[in-house]
This record gives sequence, C-alpha cells and structure tokens, in this order.
Amino acid sequence: DAGVTQSPTHLIKTRGQQVTLRCSPISGHKSVSWYQQVLGQGPQFIFQYYEKEERGRGNFPDRFSARQFPNYSSELNVNALLLGDSALYLCASSFLTGPGAQHFGDGTRLSIL
Amino acid sequence: AQKVTQAQTEISVVEKEDVTLDCVYETRDTTYYLFWYKQPPSGELVFLIRRNSFDEQNEISGRYSWNFQKSTSSFNFTITASQVVDSAVYFCALRGNNAGNMLTFGGGTRLMVKP
Repeated sequence: DAGVTQSPTHLIKTRGQQVTLRCSPISGHKSVSWYQQVLGQGPQFIFQYYEKEERGRGNFPDRFSARQFPNYSSELNVNALLLGDSALYLCASSFLTGPGAQHFGDGTRLSIL
Repeated sequence: AQKVTQAQTEISVVEKEDVTLDCVYETRDTTYYLFWYKQPPSGELVFLIRRNSFDEQNEISGRYSWNFQKSTSSFNFTITASQVVDSAVYFCALRGNNAGNMLTFGGGTRLMVKP
C-alpha cells in the first residue's frame, strides 16, 4: 500500500507569491495534519482536518489555510509568502482523530527567494 | 501548554556502541501519548513507537528499547549495538488527550554513527 504522498517535492517561490501544497493520505485514513519544519528544528503543527472539517489549528497567521476533499486528500495554501516561510512542509495521516500514530510523507521543501 | 525537551542536539558514536537519547516532557493532561520518530536525510518522519501515559512498561523491539518514567517525565530511547544505518535525527513528541491530533515535537537529536 502507498504511504502518504506529497507534491511537489521541491518548490521555489519569491516573496509575496502564493503556494499550494498537496497531500494524499494512506488509503483508509480520514485525518490529515500539516506541519512546518524549519531547518534544524522540530516540526510545528499547523492544521488538522478530519472528515473535511478543521479540527485543530496551530499558532500560524491567517496567510496559512487548508482544506480537505471528499477523498480525504488535502491542500495547504500559503499566501503572501515571506522569507521565513522557507521550510519543509510535512503532511501526516491517521485513521481517526485520536491517539493512533500519525504517518508522515516525505514533505515538500519550500524555498522563498 | 505542552513542551518536549531533547537536551542532546547532537551525539556521535562508533558503530556497535550503545547510545541513549533523552526526552523530557511537560503537560497538564492526565492522559497523554508519547512518540518517537526517526528522520533520515530524505526527510520523511518514520514512526518508531507510541506509549500511553497509563502504561509505564518498558518496551524492547530488536535493538531499540524505550524507558518511560512518569515520575521524572522522561521517555528515553536506547539503541543497542548501533549501526551506521541508525544515523538520523530522532524526534520525541507528545500528544495530550485534549489536543486532537496535534503533536508537540522536541528539537530533535542528530545521531551520527561512525564505522
């Protein structure tokens, strides 16, 4: 079975642009979470979606938004990109919203010039 | 508020040595879950283990073992007879019972195993 897949793998943008990152969860998983990992640090929670509804939001500005589709895939959108948005963006899926382990994709590495 | 501290930012050992990665956590939740993840250079976070706060039994899986001590809020990870393939960044993470799926990660420990 395929794991969590994310696209694109790498992306280069300039300040002020907008970006959309995509995630397909493991088959059967209904919950998707997004994390931002700045170089040299641990991942920081951005959003969680379950059954197409937002179930949690981390301490990120409104420039960050996300949605989940009927097939449980998800998109993360970031508007008005800043240099500080350069990071590895990780998507994780789990069957439910609960104590089960989350399984992560390889991430999208976003570089802002 | 939840917090995870991994005081060791980088550890270097020679192959076949044992190594312990420390993790200390803070939470006000009475029920919580602790995790360890491995991040190789490719970037993917690989799930290693999950422990519940009400189960302090230590666990061994091959060369890996975990020591959960609620009294000291620690969840340490030991690799026995380390191998070069163990080289990676290891993250300890915490999920409180009232935190949905939100994981709070520590800063990570970079382990380098030299041949």
